[in-house]
Amino acid sequence: GDSVTQMEGPVTLSEEAFLTINCTYTATGYPSLFWYVQYPGEGLQLLLKATKADDKGSNKGFEATYRKETTSFHLEKGSVQVSDSAVYFCALSDPYTGGFKTIFGAGTRLFVKA
Amino acid sequence: DADVTQTPRNRITKTGKRIMLECSQTKGHDRMYWYRQDPGLGLQLIYYSFDVKDINKGEISDGYSVSRQAQAKFSLSLESAIPNQTALYFCATSQNPGSGTGELFFGEGSRLTVL
Repeated sequence: GDSVTQMEGPVTLSEEAFLTINCTYTATGYPSLFWYVQYPGEGLQLLLKATKADDKGSNKGFEATYRKETTSFHLEKGSVQVSDSAVYFCALSDPYTGGFKTIFGAGTRLFVKA
Repeated sequence: DADVTQTPRNRITKTGKRIMLECSQTKGHDRMYWYRQDPGLGLQLIYYSFDVKDINKGEISDGYSVSRQAQAKFSLSLESAIPNQTALYFCATSQNPGSGTGELFFGEGSRLTVL
């Protein structure tokens, strides 16, 4: 079945450092890919998404490119802030073969120090 | 007001008690989901409903049941709670295929502790 694997955390960075969180997936169809973010004490919210190969999703300085050839969707940010401290989830959803059931990675906790 | 509202936000109960978690949404979505979050395990799907008459089991439905009372309401019940059901529970909604990309809209979560 479909699956998502993301790098284990926690990841600890200093403010203004470069962030990469790796995510790879396996899927039988043509899924959409997502990054969700969970701030402390809150529910998950969509950070960015990409719906087809080579699409780049971006939001709040974060970017991720849908790479079909490497089945990856790595999250990057050039300069993190303390306010970026959160848990980040990579996910996929295939509306036609997966019935829109979203598959999540285990999550990566990010700590950003001032 | 939040588009997806969960009640209660926090609940402590004892083993063997019946618990209901409620979810209501104002997004007008047909599809609703219940997920469970445990540290290091991401989110696991408990049940999902594609419309009022359609309810499906997810990955970890044992020990849980659901009720879709209306398009906007989807409740999760633990008939006899046990300690390993201690977790954070999320309700979510999504649009139908063809109307969206599968993005999920989450409630703020219900933290359940079973003693």
